[in-house]
Amino acid sequence: QQQVKQSPQSLIVQKGGISIINCAYENTAFDYFPWYQQFPGKGPALLIAIRPDVSEKKEGRFTISFNKSAKQFSLHIMDSQPGDSATYFCAASRLDTDKLIFGTGTRLQVFP
Amino acid sequence: GAGVSQSPSNKVTEKGKDVELRCDPISGHTALYWYRQSLGQGLEFLIYFQGNSAPDKSGLPSDRFSAERTGGSVSTLTIQRTQQEDSAVYLCASSRGLSGGAGETQYFGPGTRLLVL
Repeated sequence: QQQVKQSPQSLIVQKGGISIINCAYENTAFDYFPWYQQFPGKGPALLIAIRPDVSEKKEGRFTISFNKSAKQFSLHIMDSQPGDSATYFCAASRLDTDKLIFGTGTRLQVFP
Repeated sequence: GAGVSQSPSNKVTEKGKDVELRCDPISGHTALYWYRQSLGQGLEFLIYFQGNSAPDKSGLPSDRFSAERTGGSVSTLTIQRTQQEDSAVYLCASSRGLSGGAGETQYFGPGTRLLVL
């Protein structure tokens, strides 16, 4: 049973555009929602994370929007750059464990 | 500072053989995780070590998989009698483990790419 559903599977955006990746979760006990960025041949690296007590968190060009009632959260990349081309994973974990449940990933390609 | 390191970076083995994958976490990190990333799939949790507590083995797919962590540092993931479906990238991560709960940043190694022929 997939507890975190991610879409789209792939995304092509022009330089300067907005990239939007969506995730939905099922377990209302989830309390921590990070996004990880992975470049080919590398391990994932934390990009930005949010807890459900806020509806939005922004760090530079990256913003997480969180909708607790809909059990959805999304990553917005503003002014997308070719260097943002990577695979992005959303994840979730419960308060009592650090075990992360990951989405299936979105491959983002930003063309100049 | 050194990040999480994993060895070997690539491993090719024959079906039925045993393999050992190694993870060196960031110094001082008490929590260590193993995940598996299959082609086109997300990361699948395998096992989690936190300090001296009993490991959370709930993600291990079969009894052919086992892991240990010696001296609270280095960890080894062992896959016995490998099958072709075991082919994947095996990722190790570590975190400070201070909070004992959600919110600790996990730092990932580059992974070991396992191919079972």
